Parts: sequence; C-alpha cells; structure tokens
Amino acid sequence: DAGVIQSPRHEVTEMGQEVTLRCKPISGHNSLFWYRQTMMRGLELLIYFNNNVPIDDSGMPEDRFSAKMPNASFSTLKIQPSEPRDSAVYFCASSLKIYNEQFFGPGTRLTVL
Amino acid sequence: GENVEQHPSTLSVQEGDSAVIKCTYSDSASNYFPWYKQELGKRPQLIIDIRSNVGEKKDQRIAVTLNKTAKHFSLHITETQPEDSAVYFCAATGYSTLTFGKGTMLLVSP
Repeated sequence: DAGVIQSPRHEVTEMGQEVTLRCKPISGHNSLFWYRQTMMRGLELLIYFNNNVPIDDSGMPEDRFSAKMPNASFSTLKIQPSEPRDSAVYFCASSLKIYNEQFFGPGTRLTVL
Repeated sequence: GENVEQHPSTLSVQEGDSAVIKCTYSDSASNYFPWYKQELGKRPQLIIDIRSNVGEKKDQRIAVTLNKTAKHFSLHITETQPEDSAVYFCAATGYSTLTFGKGTMLLVSP
C-alpha cells in the first residue's frame, strides 16, 4: 500500500487566493483526519470524517475553512480566502476506525504571502 | 472531552543516557495510548502503543508504561542515539478520536 497520499507537497500562494489541499487515505480505512501543525500551536485537529461523514469540525478555525469527503478514497481541505496566518503544514491521516492507530500522510507545507 | 498533558516540552540528553517522557490524561474511559515520533520535516509515525489491559510494553530500546489508576503513561528510551532526536507525541483515546499531547523535543548529543 502506498500509504496516505497528499497533494500538493508544497503550496505558495498570495493572500486572498483559494487553496485546495487533497488527500487519499489508505484503502479500507474508514476514518480520515485533517490536522494543522505550527510551531506556536503544535498539532491541531481540524476535522474528521467517519465513513465519509464529517463527525466533528469544531477545530476548523473559521468559515474560510471547509472540508469534504465525496467518497472513501478522496478528501479535500479548502481555504478561501487564504491569509498569511494560515501558513502551516497540513497533515491528513487515516485509520481503520476512529479510535485506532492513525497513519499520517507526508503533509502539505502551505505558505501564504 | 479528553485532555492530555505532556512533559517535558524539551529534553536534552547525552548519547547513551536514558530519556523519559511523561503524559497524563483526564478521561478514565481512555484505553488506547500510542506514541508518535516526528523527525524534522517528516510526518508523525507510530513507534509504540499500549492498551489499558497491559501495564508495560517493550520494543528493543523503547518501552511504555501505563498507570490507569493515576491516569498517566510514560515513554522510556534507553541507550539513546543521535537518531532518536525528534519530537515525540503521546496520545490517548477511548471510543473517540485521538487526543495528542503538545509534544516533547528530544535532543540527543553525541
């Protein structure tokens, strides 16, 4: 298995632009998680899905952030409009069940100028 | 919900010494406690985990202990090596998603 796949690996954009991050979970995993990591705030859970259904989005910082999981093999995290304070590494992770070991993707390093 | 506290935030040791990282959790229903290692610029990866029906688990130089009564668990690394330098995260869960600690930056000096 290729593991969790994320794209792009690096994204540099200007303030106000729309950013879309993509994730392909490990096949057969039922739960998918989006995290944001910064030096100041550490690893933050933004939202997670179970069987493609959003379960808890209380970690999503603002309405500018949205996430979807249209099918079991694909999820997106969208930021519109982006701001410099959104600069961070965004990780996607998947697990067999919500409370099992999570496997992380390589992350997307986002820089908003 | 679950709250996980992790200490220390940074830890410096000499190569060959032992390192101990401690975590406490708040939800007595938690029964799964993984530890993740994140090297600089890389993704967090599971290095060891323990479930509530076990008090201790070892894997070569790494061991984890769990005290359910006191609601704390610890990571022990013996004979540390420079390649052990990384950020280590503890986590806990019962029947919900993992709650992570803030992380411990371990630096092993040659």
